[in-house]
Amino acid sequence: SQTIHQWPATLVQPVGSPLSLECTVEGTSNPNLYWYRQAAGRGLQLLFYSVGIGQISSEVPQNLSASRPQDRQFILSSKKLLLSDSGFYLCAWSVQTEAFFGQGTRLTVV
Amino acid sequence: AQSVTQPDIHITVSEGASLELRCNYSYGATPYLFWYVQSPGQGLQLLLKYFSGDTLVQGIKGFEAEFKRSQSSFNLRKPSVHWSDAAEYFCAVVGIQGAQKLVFGQGTRLTINP
Repeated sequence: SQTIHQWPATLVQPVGSPLSLECTVEGTSNPNLYWYRQAAGRGLQLLFYSVGIGQISSEVPQNLSASRPQDRQFILSSKKLLLSDSGFYLCAWSVQTEAFFGQGTRLTVV
Repeated sequence: AQSVTQPDIHITVSEGASLELRCNYSYGATPYLFWYVQSPGQGLQLLLKYFSGDTLVQGIKGFEAEFKRSQSSFNLRKPSVHWSDAAEYFCAVVGIQGAQKLVFGQGTRLTINP
């Protein structure tokens, strides 16, 4: 069966520090991969999606970047965090449209 | 590009009452449509989906949704809500062409009164 792993579950980082959130998928090949951010009261904002290794589409200009070094690995990064980067980050994968989500990372930038 | 609108940010209903959550989409053709539920601090769970065929789809936990092409809507319904249904509900669409981005609405927070 397919599973998705996202870590860490919670993270507190100072302003200006780097960020790396990792997401891996098991049990499927060549999935579409997504990073979403959920800020309080603002729903799910699509940040990045990827249809294959090294193929990243950015949905909104921001302080974050994404990479897909392997077929089932999706990484969200930042060189210098801002206070506005705080939020709940969700990784998801899909094959033929239906999406499955990780448990999320609660990031607090202080 | 596809987009989704959930007009109701917050809805409160009494336990045992019926529920309808609204969802409208914008897309050049009929997209794939989904409803997800999110409990506090958790990821998302798929309630139901529509790809084609019968426009009334049944999901888990007693939920159903009806696709209405003429209204570009995919409203979620439940005849009798339970206190455990309190959560945030998201409507989502995937375009059937191109990169198949999964785009969500802003969500509707459901509160249940005892």
